[in-house]
Amino acid sequence: EVQLVQSGGGLVLPGGSLRLSCAASGFTVSSDWMHWVRQAPGKGLLWISRINTDGSTYYSDSVKGRFTISRDNAKNTLYLQMNSLRDEDTAVYYCARDFHFSIDSWGQGALVTVSS
Amino acid sequence: DVVMTQSPLSLPVTLGQPASISCRSSQSLRYSDGNTYLNWFHQRPGQSPRRLIYKVSNRDSGVPDRFSGSGSGTDFTLKISRVEAEDVGMFYCMQGTHWPYTFGQGTQLEI
Repeated sequence: EVQLVQSGGGLVLPGGSLRLSCAASGFTVSSDWMHWVRQAPGKGLLWISRINTDGSTYYSDSVKGRFTISRDNAKNTLYLQMNSLRDEDTAVYYCARDFHFSIDSWGQGALVTVSS
Repeated sequence: DVVMTQSPLSLPVTLGQPASISCRSSQSLRYSDGNTYLNWFHQRPGQSPRRLIYKVSNRDSGVPDRFSGSGSGTDFTLKISRVEAEDVGMFYCMQGTHWPYTFGQGTQLEI
């Protein structure tokens, strides 16, 4: 069974940093495209980052240059390093697995609150 | 980016009655391989999204057959034949044909 278990959310000051983790089981993170999707309070879903099987990475304009997606194959874990956080980054962040141009599995979500 | 437009944004329904949600894309979602990568997700309050439908009309394992998807090109529909209490929440369409993936604004189903 595919499972994605997230950790690492919390409260952070504007300008601060936070790292989210997403531990996978039931499949290998390096064998599939993996995504981060976020959802601001009361809002819809927004894709923010992807890592391909070859390690190439992609970002939305809203996070490019501040966020870094990565994975640890030995730990079968996906990460999102978030730097220079802004108020508007406040959201629930979901890791997700891509399967054939779709998202078929989601983590439970991690709330990130950026506030002074 | 491809814009996905859902309607209605709010859908009051009666238990046991049918419901329908429309999703329109700003570009055709037919891919060069002949497939159309249009998905539907359901998100209950406080939960992660769950995929219901992929490639327009294919139901995921465990999804009740009261859910059905249809459409082609730029116009797509999710239908619920008989709404049940567990269907409350948000429904989102998402396209995977063009990069980046984009979602509709969501439709709030209320009973």
